[in-house]
Amino acid sequence: GESVGLHLPTLSVQEGDNSIINCAYSNSASDYFIWYKQESGKGPQFIIDIRSNMDKRQGQRVTVLLNKTVKHLSLQIAATQPGDSAVYFCADSRNSGNTPLVFGKGTRLSVIA
Amino acid sequence: KAGVTQTPRYLIKTRGQQVTLSCSPISGHRSVSWYQQTPGQGLQFLFEYFSETQRNKGNFPGRFSGRQFSNSRSEMNVSTLELGDSALYLCASSLYPGPQETQYFGPGTRLLVL
Repeated sequence: GESVGLHLPTLSVQEGDNSIINCAYSNSASDYFIWYKQESGKGPQFIIDIRSNMDKRQGQRVTVLLNKTVKHLSLQIAATQPGDSAVYFCADSRNSGNTPLVFGKGTRLSVIA
Repeated sequence: KAGVTQTPRYLIKTRGQQVTLSCSPISGHRSVSWYQQTPGQGLQFLFEYFSETQRNKGNFPGRFSGRQFSNSRSEMNVSTLELGDSALYLCASSLYPGPQETQYFGPGTRLLVL
């Protein structure tokens, strides 16, 4: 994940709308990407992952898109619900070597009922 | 199956003291990683343990140390606490080591250094 500074980006969406959370990564050698969700007072929770040999992967109500050309990752949440309100982090790693996960600073998603 | 547990959940210490945090991984998970989370720096990797051996270490001073026991439980220690050590310390467990193994996080220990 890329450093985005001290201020946490915020995304506000209406309940029922689709949400798109973006993430840029800096290491062109990264080949594995993960999205985590962190609710207040809890640790990060795994949502979905994708490897660099894929452009898109779908889960339950979530889709991750990977654009290696511009080093960009996005998480799409369909029919956003109040329970989706949280901070979302992307993380990336390289399989070669022992480089640990590098986390982005996160995006706060607020769902308006 | 019970998740990752961390104790204590909250801790207040003063500068110069030391602290030990504990993490119990998900049953059957043999790898434990520790992270520090602060508003300014986000989530930063501290270290990873597997089979009682430290496999990887992040860019933190030697005041930060850890260990893993034969039952996979792990502890981390911070000596000579500084104000900047105030943070949420997260433990994550996985079946095997490596950044591409799915990691399951505990709720964290919130440390406040006064």
